Amino acid sequence: NAGVTQTPKFRILKIGQSMTLQCTQDMNHNYMYWYRQDPGMGLKLIYYSVGAGITDKGEVPNGYNVSRSTTEDFPLRLELAAPSQTSVYFCASSYGQGANTEAFFGQGTRLTVV
Amino acid sequence: KQEVTQIPAALSVPEGENLVLNCSFTDSAIYNLQWFRQDPGKGLTSLLLIQSSQREQTSGRLNASLDKSSGRSTLYIAASQPGDSATYLCAVIYTGSARQLTFGSGTQLTVLP
Repeated sequence: NAGVTQTPKFRILKIGQSMTLQCTQDMNHNYMYWYRQDPGMGLKLIYYSVGAGITDKGEVPNGYNVSRSTTEDFPLRLELAAPSQTSVYFCASSYGQGANTEAFFGQGTRLTVV
Repeated sequence: KQEVTQIPAALSVPEGENLVLNCSFTDSAIYNLQWFRQDPGKGLTSLLLIQSSQREQTSGRLNASLDKSSGRSTLYIAASQPGDSATYLCAVIYTGSARQLTFGSGTQLTVLP
C-alpha cells in the first residue's frame, strides 16, 4: 500500500548547492509528474513523463532536470539552488490512459534554500 | 491560457452546515476533473474524479458535479464536521494534454465546532 513515496520530507539547501528529490511509485503507472506548490497557490507542473525514457517540460522547468530510467522511479534534480526554488515539491503518478486518469500524490518534500 | 479558479479562497462555517465549494475553468475541452483534499503540511488526497462524460460523482457525504458548457464544477459537502477542515483543490485535465492536472489555488475550509 505504499503508493507514491517521496524522499526526503524536508531539506535545507544553501544557494548554489545541488540535490536530487526522489520519487518512486509501486502502482505500475505510466505517467509521472513533478509539481511545486508555493504558499497560498495551486500546484504548478515542473516536468512530466509518459513512460520510461520519455520526459517533457511543464510550466516551470527552469532550474530543474529529470530522468526516467524505470517505470517506478522519477527523480527531480535541482542544480545550483536559488531562493526562488524554496517550495513544497510533490510527485504524482497516474495510469494516464483511457478514462481512468486519477492521480495519486506523494506526501511532498519541503525545500528551503538559504 | 487554460486556467482554473476557485472562489472563495477561504470559507468558515458552523458544524452541521451543508456547503458548496466552487471551481471554474476557462476551456470547456476538458478530459476529466478531480477534487483533492490537502491537510496542513500534508500531501494531496484524491476525493472524487469526474470524467468528462459524467455529470456528477458521489462518495459518502461528498457530491461533485460537472457542467462543461458553463465551465463549472461544484463540490457539495453535507453535514459538515470539524474533521472536514482542510484546503480543497480542484484540478482539470484538458483535452490534448499529457494528462497533467491544471490546479486552482484552493479553498481553505474551516468547520467550527
